[in-house]
Amino acid sequence: GAVVSQHPSWVICKSGTSVKIECRSLDFQATTMFWYRQFPKQSLMLMATSNEGSKATYEQGVEKDKFLINHASLTLSTLTVTSAHPEDSSFYICSAPWTSGGTGELFFGEGSRLTVL
Amino acid sequence: SQKIEQNSEALNIQEGKTATLTCNYTNYSPAYLQWYRQDPGRGPVFLLLIRENEKEKRKERLKVTFDTTLKQSLFHITASQPADSATYLCALGGRGSTLGRLYFGRGTQLTVWP
Repeated sequence: GAVVSQHPSWVICKSGTSVKIECRSLDFQATTMFWYRQFPKQSLMLMATSNEGSKATYEQGVEKDKFLINHASLTLSTLTVTSAHPEDSSFYICSAPWTSGGTGELFFGEGSRLTVL
Repeated sequence: SQKIEQNSEALNIQEGKTATLTCNYTNYSPAYLQWYRQDPGRGPVFLLLIRENEKEKRKERLKVTFDTTLKQSLFHITASQPADSATYLCALGGRGSTLGRLYFGRGTQLTVWP
């Protein structure tokens, strides 16, 4: 089945530094990927839609200058948390749809747990 | 904005029984609804999708219903097993400009005891 790989699975950084998280579709091409964030005991919150070859679309309330998204190829999207602060500590998960058209299931990565000290 | 409620936060049942999880939503008319399973520290895994014009879907021991009038979906696991213990998430999908984007509920933590 389709696999979405995410790296790193966990990262600890100092406040003020930037962290990059990669999301790859391993056996299929994804022109669109989605980035979610999940706090403990909370639902997955959609942050942005990553579009190959064009700018990402951000959900209301998500700072695009803080969460930089680059969809450089049909199999890779990256999320960079810039000038990270402790409140950015969370579980970040990417996903990609198996089929084009947008109404199919999403395949999720294993998530990246970010801890900002 | 849309609001998704999964009642309840936790559900404990005995092995062999049927688990029934509820997902209610307001301020939204989803084109489809999905259910996912999430284990601790892991990404969600897709289980079932049901579209707005469908009433019921089945997959092995799983059954999902979708009532757009009540704005509710029910998710059933029959003959439950301890391995079914996990958090189950419902997610709503839209149309048009929101096509492909999913909005999740908080999930229901299911525990199946032997």
